[in-house]
Amino acid sequence: KQEVTQIPAALSVPEGENLVLNCSFTDSAIYNLQWFRQDPGKGLTSLLLIQSSQREQTSGRLNASLDKSSGRSTLYIAASQPGDSATYLCAVRRSSNYQLIWGAGTKLIIKP
Amino acid sequence: EAQVTQNPRYLITVTGKKLTVTCSQNMNHEYMSWYRQDPGLGLRQIYYSMNVEVTDKGDVPEGYKVSRKEKRNFPLILESPSPNQTSLYFCASSSQGEMGYGYTFGSGTRLTVV
Repeated sequence: KQEVTQIPAALSVPEGENLVLNCSFTDSAIYNLQWFRQDPGKGLTSLLLIQSSQREQTSGRLNASLDKSSGRSTLYIAASQPGDSATYLCAVRRSSNYQLIWGAGTKLIIKP
Repeated sequence: EAQVTQNPRYLITVTGKKLTVTCSQNMNHEYMSWYRQDPGLGLRQIYYSMNVEVTDKGDVPEGYKVSRKEKRNFPLILESPSPNQTSLYFCASSSQGEMGYGYTFGSGTRLTVV
């Protein structure tokens, strides 16, 4: 059974720091992995999608990596800003169907 | 603009009064799904649909119904809402394909059942 874990559950850092959020999964038979951002009480915004054959994806200050063999993905945020404060969720799509398996999220606070 | 549109954004209703939350996507996606999100429990899938007239239960289907008569629409129906269905609901869509496409989510519907 696929399980997705995100560490840490919460993170508070000063503005300007580079930071890494972690996502691990137990079954390497995945279709893709997607990182989302969620602001309090709001919808989910897709940040990056990494296919199972890819190693990383970049969008602006964000870089996501994928290591299927070790069951890990990282989301790197460069030069953090207060506007980056949100909950970050990773979700793994199973190879066999469309279903997403979700991590519990990392709540990120960037202090001005 | 490619998007998933949910309505309403906020809804307060009374126990037992039937309601429908609409979901529509303009990306011609085959796959659509409903999730609920509760504090401490994360996102849980309610129902999903692989294509028109094809629906299946997710992890928490009790108390909900769905239909997929058209490709773009996937309404969530609560025949007799109860307070334990108070939650934040999300609709999502995705496309088939060998490479596996990502999901697009609606903005959410916050439902309160009193």
